[in-house]
Amino acid sequence: DGGITQSPKYLFRKEGQNVTLSCEQNLNHDAMYWYRQDPGQGLRLIYYSQIVNDFQKGDIAEGYSVSREKKESFPLTVTSAQKNPTAFYLCASSIGQGSDGYTFGSGTRLTVV
Amino acid sequence: AQSVSQHNHHVILSEAASLELGCNYSYGGTVNLFWYVQYPGQHLQLLLKYFSGDPLVKGIKGFEAEFIKSKFSFNLRKPSVQWSDTAEYFCAVTPADRGSTLGRLYFGRGTQLTVWP
Repeated sequence: DGGITQSPKYLFRKEGQNVTLSCEQNLNHDAMYWYRQDPGQGLRLIYYSQIVNDFQKGDIAEGYSVSREKKESFPLTVTSAQKNPTAFYLCASSIGQGSDGYTFGSGTRLTVV
Repeated sequence: AQSVSQHNHHVILSEAASLELGCNYSYGGTVNLFWYVQYPGQHLQLLLKYFSGDPLVKGIKGFEAEFIKSKFSFNLRKPSVQWSDTAEYFCAVTPADRGSTLGRLYFGRGTQLTVWP
């Protein structure tokens, strides 16, 4: 079955450490996205990528970094500069530019301890 | 920047009650509209979408939504809710004008629906 795989499902990080969240898709979608979901705030866009080797900042990119070396993969690194990293992170992909909607992964819950 | 407003943060209903969740957006051009649902512990799933044509669209599980262009609204409805409809519901909008450079989705803050059996 085609879909998006996010790993790990749960992740714990010590303060001051960087951590990388994985997102892989086998849908042959061009565009990929990272969202952060917090209670009562909906989904906020962190980074997005329309093609390989290109990505753009979203609304809350500070403290995060991404890469898009392969079409199938769009990992997100949460750096120590992110002041409030505890959240639920969702990866999504879309055909083209997203006007047809997204397919979402199951998410990674990151907790800083 | 575009914005999407969902008026109700938390809605509590009894089974068999009717449901209407409000959604308004702030973009004057052509839009594609979506409702997504997130059941407890599950990933976001597409409930229904509107691109063009009949403004009343039907989705899965008996849900429907009506696009009213003059009101910039896309409200979600269901005549009779079930306990299994307990979930968080997100409205989303993307510009769809010819020449739009990016069809990114703009999400509302979500509405938590709790249905009591």
